[in-house]
Amino acid sequence: QVQLVQSGAEVKKPGASVKVSCKTSGYSFATYGIDWVRQAPGQGLEWMSWISVYNGNTAFAQKFQGRVTMTTETSTSTVYMELRSLRSDDTAVYYCAIIDGDNPIDYWGQGTPVTVSS
Amino acid sequence: DIQMTQSPSSLSASVGDRVTITCRASQGIRNDLGWYQQKPGKAPKRLVYAASSLQSGVPSRFSGSGSGTEFTLTISSLQPEDFATYYCLQHNTNPHTFGQGTKLEIK
Repeated sequence: QVQLVQSGAEVKKPGASVKVSCKTSGYSFATYGIDWVRQAPGQGLEWMSWISVYNGNTAFAQKFQGRVTMTTETSTSTVYMELRSLRSDDTAVYYCAIIDGDNPIDYWGQGTPVTVSS
Repeated sequence: DIQMTQSPSSLSASVGDRVTITCRASQGIRNDLGWYQQKPGKAPKRLVYAASSLQSGVPSRFSGSGSGTEFTLTISSLQPEDFATYYCLQHNTNPHTFGQGTKLEIK
């Protein structure tokens, strides 16, 4: 069965970077792209970005362009999302997900809480 | 970017009620829309994909409809486990965008 397992909670200072991992299993790694979605405390869901594991193509919400880098590691079937220049309003739970809008393929990681505080 | 306007933002209803949640897209998105349910502390769970196709394992009291710019999620007879927050997500154009959410509360 498809599983996405994310790295643990992080606490960072403003201006720092955070790198969240999303280890996948249960399917051929290059089959699906990975979306990143975040949710600030008490707020709604916010789509951040997507990477094609197959060819490395990416897409970003404008507010994250230039501040987010996604990478893939085929040997461990892991996708990483790095967010730089952290601010307090980046405090959120970050989710990785496989979202195929046209087919019944939808899997989510458990979420990684990131707290940005001085 | 395509804006998804979801309404209402909150809704109070009773077990057994029929409820409808609406998402309007700022431009046409064909049927490239999904509906999600989220409970506190949990990852979202998709109920409907491609506007009207029910995700496997989702009870048939949930249904989705619409295309173009207007979409609805209907719960035909609310059950206690349905009290949660619901979101729409368009995947027609990058960046993908969520609606603001509808919090469904017990009356």
